[in-house]
Formats: sequence, structure tokens, C-alpha cells
Amino acid sequence: AQTVTQSQPEMSVQEAETVTLSCTYDTSESDYYLFWYKQPPSRQMILVIRQEAYKQQNATENRFSVNFQKAAKSFSLKISDSQLGDAAMYFCAHTKYAGNMLTFGGGTRLMVKP
Amino acid sequence: DSGVTQTPKHLITATGQRVTLRCSPRSGDLSVYWYQQSLDQGLQFLIQYYNGEERAKGNILERFSAQQFPDLHSELNLSSLELGDSALYFCASSVGKGERSYEQYFGPGTRLTVT
Repeated sequence: AQTVTQSQPEMSVQEAETVTLSCTYDTSESDYYLFWYKQPPSRQMILVIRQEAYKQQNATENRFSVNFQKAAKSFSLKISDSQLGDAAMYFCAHTKYAGNMLTFGGGTRLMVKP
Repeated sequence: DSGVTQTPKHLITATGQRVTLRCSPRSGDLSVYWYQQSLDQGLQFLIQYYNGEERAKGNILERFSAQQFPDLHSELNLSSLELGDSALYFCASSVGKGERSYEQYFGPGTRLTVT
């Protein structure tokens, strides 16, 4: 079974600074997909960024980027120029293949200090 | 706005009762997933439907059931409710196959409180 681990229950960052959230996963598959979801206080789950395991290039979406280390089964999220609106729970998730269920990590609460 | 809608937003009911949660996927999405988010269990996959048929089951209790209708909306039925069923229930949808079919988009959730 796939497992996803987020070892940082809480993180804080100063506004305009950079923060990195960690995620490790365990899978026996060679092809799979990884995601970061953001859950603000509204509780809506928002897809932030996705990474296809077969792609060596790290995904980027504006201020959000990932560091995907396939051999180490590590998938960290870097948020640059942090904004107050980035404060939320962040969940790392994995799926074996397209159309398959998501397995989530336990989440990291990110606080942004003004 | 993800394009996935869920009703109702909030539901308060008593133990032993039965409730139905409704989900409408994004236009064109064939796959619907149900997830439960509780304080002690985190986010867990319950069940998936694809074009009207059950595709996969996760940690779904026997007291819970779901279906997907011809218009692709889905309903999650929870019966004989217990206090521990109090949670946020999410519906997500994806195109089901083809490019970017691995991306799931979540609805706003239904907050269920069992008293």
C-alpha cells in the first residue's frame, strides 16, 4: 500500500521569505503522480501543483515549485515570496495512476507572519 | 471555484439517522471520488465511480453506500450514524481518462455533525 508522510506538523515563515514543506512517500510503482493541495480556513481543497514521476524536470507554478527526488522518494514544496494568503494546511498526495484514488499525508500547517 | 458542487454545506443530525450527500462533478468529468476528512483519521478515500459504475472502494463502512446517476452526479448515503461519523466529506472529480486525467478537483465539502 502507498503511504505518504509529512514530518512537519507546523511551519512558519515570514512574509516575503521562502519556505519548504517536506513530503516522503512509499510506492512500488515506477510511474505515478504526486500533488500538493492547499486547504485554507475555508476548508476548500485547492490543487497547487502536480508532478508526473516520469518527468525529471521539477514542476513549477508561479511562486510554487517542487523538488522531486525519485530515488529518495521525496517530494518537497517550495513557496517563494510567501504571502499572507499562503497560510493554510498543505497536503501532499500520491496516486498510482490516472483515475486512481489519492493517498494523502497528514498535512502541514503553514503560518505566515507579517 | 473548482466547478465541483456539493450539497448541503452543513448537516446536523442525530445518532442512528440516515443522510444523503450530493455531488455534481465538473462538466465533462466522468469520475467521482468521495473522501472523508476527520480529525483522527485525516483524509481518507471512501469510494470511486466512473461513468455510473463503481471503480474502487477504500475505507468505506458497510453503513455507507454511494451511487452515480446517468447525469453523472453522485450521492453518498450514510446510515445508522454514529458520533464518529462526524467529519468533512469531500467529493472530487476527474475526467477519467486521457491527458491530465490524474488531476482531481475537489468540491467545497459537506460538514456533517452527528449529535
